[in-house]
Amino acid sequence: EAQVTQNPRYLITVTGKKLTVTCSQNMNHEYMSWYRQDPGLGLRQIYYSMNVEVTDKGDVPEGYKVSRKEKRNFPLILESPSPNQTSLYFCASSLGPQGVSYNEQFFGPGTRLTVL
Amino acid sequence: GENVEQHPSTLSVQEGDSAVIKCTYSDSASNYFPWYKQELGKRPQLIIDIRSNVGEKKDQRIAVTLNKTAKHFSLHITETQPEDSAVYFCAANSWGKFQFGAGTQVVVTP
Repeated sequence: EAQVTQNPRYLITVTGKKLTVTCSQNMNHEYMSWYRQDPGLGLRQIYYSMNVEVTDKGDVPEGYKVSRKEKRNFPLILESPSPNQTSLYFCASSLGPQGVSYNEQFFGPGTRLTVL
Repeated sequence: GENVEQHPSTLSVQEGDSAVIKCTYSDSASNYFPWYKQELGKRPQLIIDIRSNVGEKKDQRIAVTLNKTAKHFSLHITETQPEDSAVYFCAANSWGKFQFGAGTQVVVTP
């Protein structure tokens, strides 16, 4: 089954304790992206990746790191989480650019993170 | 910075009526405009999208229009049904960078 998976789905942690949220897709998609969703703010892009070893900042990259060492995986790293990073996180993937335009993004199930 | 504004934030319609949600964007390089539906506790799912070289696209009861000159695009849902109740998000893409509107909570009452 074609899908985007994220782990963990739920996480409660404490300020300053490094954590990684994994994201994996089995559709051979070139493009992957991380978003956070907060009430009243919609989805805000954290980082995105056009292909292996290529990553770019979205609108809210502060406090986050990513890596794209292989096509299927795009982990999100919080080196020193703070309470303002409490949020619902979504990973997404798509085929990537088609000429100058883009294709449908498929979202993972989400990771609900609470930082105390 | 660049952003996407979405209106209204809430929309209540009678079953069978039409619903319209409007978005404006500021980045003139934006060339792909998807609309997502998100039901409570679930992930966003694409319902329709439009590229910058097209002015209108329709899929059954759902249509999207794009006015590149004015930098706005709209979602139209006709003959609304209770299962259309959800939060709808517009988005604009510019070379891989996506910006989303804040969302519209649509409630369809029988």
